[in-house]
Amino acid sequence: EVRLVESGGGLVQPGGSLRLSCEASGFTVTNTYMSWVRQAPGGGLEWLSVIHSDGTTFNADSVKGRFSISRDNANNTLYLQMNSLRGDDTAVYYCARMSHIRGADSWGQGTLVTVSS
Amino acid sequence: DIQMTQSPSSLSASVRDRVTITCRASQDIGTYLNWYQHKPGKAPKLLIFAASTSHSGVPSRFSGSGSGTDFTLTISSLQPEDFATYYCQQTFSSLWTFGQGTKVEIK
Repeated sequence: EVRLVESGGGLVQPGGSLRLSCEASGFTVTNTYMSWVRQAPGGGLEWLSVIHSDGTTFNADSVKGRFSISRDNANNTLYLQMNSLRGDDTAVYYCARMSHIRGADSWGQGTLVTVSS
Repeated sequence: DIQMTQSPSSLSASVRDRVTITCRASQDIGTYLNWYQHKPGKAPKLLIFAASTSHSGVPSRFSGSGSGTDFTLTISSLQPEDFATYYCQQTFSSLWTFGQGTKVEIK
């Protein structure tokens, strides 16, 4: 069974950093594309980052230079390093197995990040 | 970046109604278009990928069509469990984007 479990969310002050984790089971994260998506309170879904099976990464303009996606082959885990956090980064963050051909067929349950002093 | 525009932003419909949601891309994206259903407090669910291919286990009342810049999601007979927000997403470019969402509410 394919499963994704996020962790690492919480309350952080503006300007602070946080690292989200997404532990995968039932498949290998290095064999597919993986993405992070968020939903701010009252807002829609916003795609943030992707890491391709070859390790190439892309980030949305809204987080470029502040957020970084990576993966750990040994632990089969996806990460999102978030720096210079702002109030408008407050959101539920989802990881997803998401390819350009087949869309996102598996999602984590989401983890809430709150940026506030 | 490619902009995705959905219409309408919200709609009210009754059970057994036929519902159509449209999504327009700011440039040609071929058929790199996916549709998702999202309910509050839950993870989004993939309905349609590659514009018209149904994801495994999705009820047959959901269908997608279109190519290039104009796409449609159709629910042939709305069921109580279909009240949710629906999003289109393009995966044509290096930077992927979602539409703003269409909220389907009970009339």
